[in-house]
Amino acid sequence: GQQLNQSPQSMFIQEGEDVSMNCTSSSIFNTWLWYKQDPGEGPVLLIALYKAGELTSNGRLTAQFGITRKDSFLNISASIPSDVGIYFCAGQSGGTSYGKLTFGQGTILTVHP
Amino acid sequence: NAGVTQTPKFQVLKTGQSMTLQCAQDMNHEYMSWYRQDPGMGLRLIHYSVGAGITDQGEVPNGYNVSRSTTEDFPLRLLSAAPSQTSVYFCASSYVLGGSTDTQYFGPGTRLTVL
Repeated sequence: GQQLNQSPQSMFIQEGEDVSMNCTSSSIFNTWLWYKQDPGEGPVLLIALYKAGELTSNGRLTAQFGITRKDSFLNISASIPSDVGIYFCAGQSGGTSYGKLTFGQGTILTVHP
Repeated sequence: NAGVTQTPKFQVLKTGQSMTLQCAQDMNHEYMSWYRQDPGMGLRLIHYSVGAGITDQGEVPNGYNVSRSTTEDFPLRLLSAAPSQTSVYFCASSYVLGGSTDTQYFGPGTRLTVL
């Protein structure tokens, strides 16, 4: 089956630093999604990418859909304490696989004030 | 709108017991799905539905049953609980756009422990 490798598994940074995380896949995806999960909550969508090469920003967050359609990255600039949480990438194939999200293992982000 | 709601929030079962996890959405979404989340493994798809009366298996369907009698509700049934089913379960929903789904919205989760 499809697999997503997300790295790093965890990050410990100081407030104000920039953060970068990425996902790579053995298969092609039509859509890449980035979610954030706070403790005790469900994942919340941060950014959705629908086209190879697409670069999309949402405030301090920037994500890109890789040209090969097998990878994506998420950058967070000028981190703040409320950025703490688990970040997941997810890929979605089209056709008969529509709706089936394949998730990465998650990146646990800790921000020290 | 309440969005996606799940009940219960927490549940402890003994091995062999059965139970139903409830999921409801009030956004008139055609697509609904169930995921389980285990440490270090992200979320894995259990079952999904593209509309009332239509369900299909995801990546890890064994030990779980689903049905979709209405657009709003998508319950997940554990027939005979096993310790391996200890996990956090999330329900999600979205619109279906053409041949794909729109953004999926997740519920708050049900934390299940099987002793």
